[in-house]
Amino acid sequence: EAGVAQSPRYKIIEKRQSVAFWCNPISGHATLYWYQQILGQGPKLLIQFQNNGVVDDSQLPKDRFSAERLKGVDSTLKIQPAKLEDSAVYLCASSLERTGRETQYFGPGTRLLVL
Amino acid sequence: AQSVTQLGSHVSVSEGALVLLRCNYSSSVPPYLFWYVQYPNQGLQLLLKYTTGATLVKGINGFEAEFKKSETSFHLTKPSAHMSDAAEYFCAVSVSNVDTGRRALTFGSGTRLQVQP
Repeated sequence: EAGVAQSPRYKIIEKRQSVAFWCNPISGHATLYWYQQILGQGPKLLIQFQNNGVVDDSQLPKDRFSAERLKGVDSTLKIQPAKLEDSAVYLCASSLERTGRETQYFGPGTRLLVL
Repeated sequence: AQSVTQLGSHVSVSEGALVLLRCNYSSSVPPYLFWYVQYPNQGLQLLLKYTTGATLVKGINGFEAEFKKSETSFHLTKPSAHMSDAAEYFCAVSVSNVDTGRRALTFGSGTRLQVQP
């Protein structure tokens, strides 16, 4: 079974530029998550989708971050414009269900450096 | 609101020694508890989880954890460390928000395990 795929793996941009990350979850997984992991910290949930609908985006900085999940499969996370403090690893995860006790399967992440 | 505290950002043990990684949580309702491991340049992988039932949970690679409600703890242990256990370990709690009904994972800040030969 293929795992969660993410691209690109690394990205370096200058502040005020825009950037987009792509995620392809495990086939059949209805729930998709985006996390931000700042160096030295645990992952922090940014947004959660159930199929193509948003379940929780309470911690997403909506003035600069946006995300979509077209057709309930792939997802894209965008930052526009980027700030220095956005430097982090962006992790995508997926799960079969949304009960709170399910296992989340994580991709390798996209490491973003904002200069 | 729930939170997770992992005591010790770095733990170093000798190969063959006991591994003990500490995790305490705060929650006003029964939580679901998880341990995830992150190897360098890889995503997180589930080691084990507690949802209901037996409080001693066994996971992959010889790890286990015990849910102790009275101590609000979920410490991770392994009797004998192996070089391949060197990684970052994250404790996480999933609790339903009483206002929204939404469940979400809250992660601790992680413990980096170093295994000395």
